[in-house]
Formats: sequence, structure tokens, C-alpha cells
Amino acid sequence: DTGVSQDPRHKITKRGQNVTFRCDPISEHNRLYWYRQTLGQGPEFLTYFQNEAQLEKSRLLSDRFSAERPKGSFSTLEIQRTEQGDSAMYLCASSHDSNEQYFGPGTRLTVT
Amino acid sequence: GQNIDQPTEMTATEGAIVQINCTYQTSGFNGLFWYQQHAGEAPTFLSYNVLDGLEEKGRFSSFLSRSKGYSYLLLKELQMKDSASYLCAVRADSNYQLIWGAGTKLIIKP
Repeated sequence: DTGVSQDPRHKITKRGQNVTFRCDPISEHNRLYWYRQTLGQGPEFLTYFQNEAQLEKSRLLSDRFSAERPKGSFSTLEIQRTEQGDSAMYLCASSHDSNEQYFGPGTRLTVT
Repeated sequence: GQNIDQPTEMTATEGAIVQINCTYQTSGFNGLFWYQQHAGEAPTFLSYNVLDGLEEKGRFSSFLSRSKGYSYLLLKELQMKDSASYLCAVRADSNYQLIWGAGTKLIIKP
């Protein structure tokens, strides 16, 4: 396994459109996390899965954001009716009963 | 509230030693992490402390004092490739969610 992968790496969309990102974690990892990061800031927690169960969702996450991990493997993050403030790097990380989270390369979203 | 503070930017010389500090105020504590992040790339894990004391890993060491809510990352024999942002993160409870600082941008000069 080569690590956590994310697709696409870059996405440019117009305000009001919906976008979906995919994350494939390291295969034996049961925990999966989504973060958002803007320039000069640390990652901001969005949501967390243990296997297929979404155990926690940030209060900062509006109803426009939804995430799934249907089979406990890959995960998708959808943003509906995108706004310019959604422009950021979206990071996925995974871990397996350990302390270390392994990050994917991220998806950079630009909303015009 | 949850808060993690670290300096915004530091400058050091190649071959020297630099210490990056992190202070935290969180509702609980279940471990502190340091990550390195090069510009435009994802964070990569450096160290983990859950008990007081110093953890050494090659050129990098990390220290924790839980009573003071304080940690530092020590980088020795600095190399130009160490130019990056260094992120401090705290796990406040047992659900594995991390609370992140804004990161310290380290600039290495020849």
C-alpha cells in the first residue's frame, strides 16, 4: 500500500455548484478523518469515521457538507451549493488503533 | 475553550539548533503530536508525547510538561530541507480527534 490517496488533487468550481471528493485510506486502517486547511492555519477538524460509522462531526460544519464511508473503506466528502469561503485544502487522514494519523496529499478547492 | 499557541515564524541557521514551543489549554489531555508540513504538501508525523519528559528520534526531540500545558520540539543540526511549518496538535479526549495549532513556519538560512 502506498499510503492515503485523494482525488482529485485540484478542483475549480463556480459558486453554487456541488463538489465531491474521494479519499482512499491505508487499507488496514479503520479510522478516517477529514480536515480543512487554509493558508497559514493548522488543519480544522471536519468529521471522523470508525469503520463505516460517522462518530463525530464538527459543529462548524454546515448542512451543506456531508461525508460517507459506506463500506468502511474509501470515503467521500460532498459540499453542496459551494461558497467562496469553502476555498481551502481538504485533507484526509487515516489511522489504525494507533496514535499516528497518516495524511493524504489533499484536494485543493477553489470556488470562483 | 480549546486553544493551542505556537510562534508564527522562526528563523535559524543551517547546522544550528532550534526549539519550537507550544502551549495548550484544552478540556482534557490524551497526547500531544508534532507534525511537519512543507509548503503545498500534507502534514507528516514527527513525534508523540503522552507522558512528561523528552522523546528523542534522531535529530528531532520533543518534550512535554502536562502540569504546565507546554511542549517543545527541538531540531538539531539543521538542514535546509528542515524549512517547513511545524504543527503542534493535542488530543483532548479519547475519540482521536486532534486540536491543531496554526503552525510555526521555520526558515533556515545558510
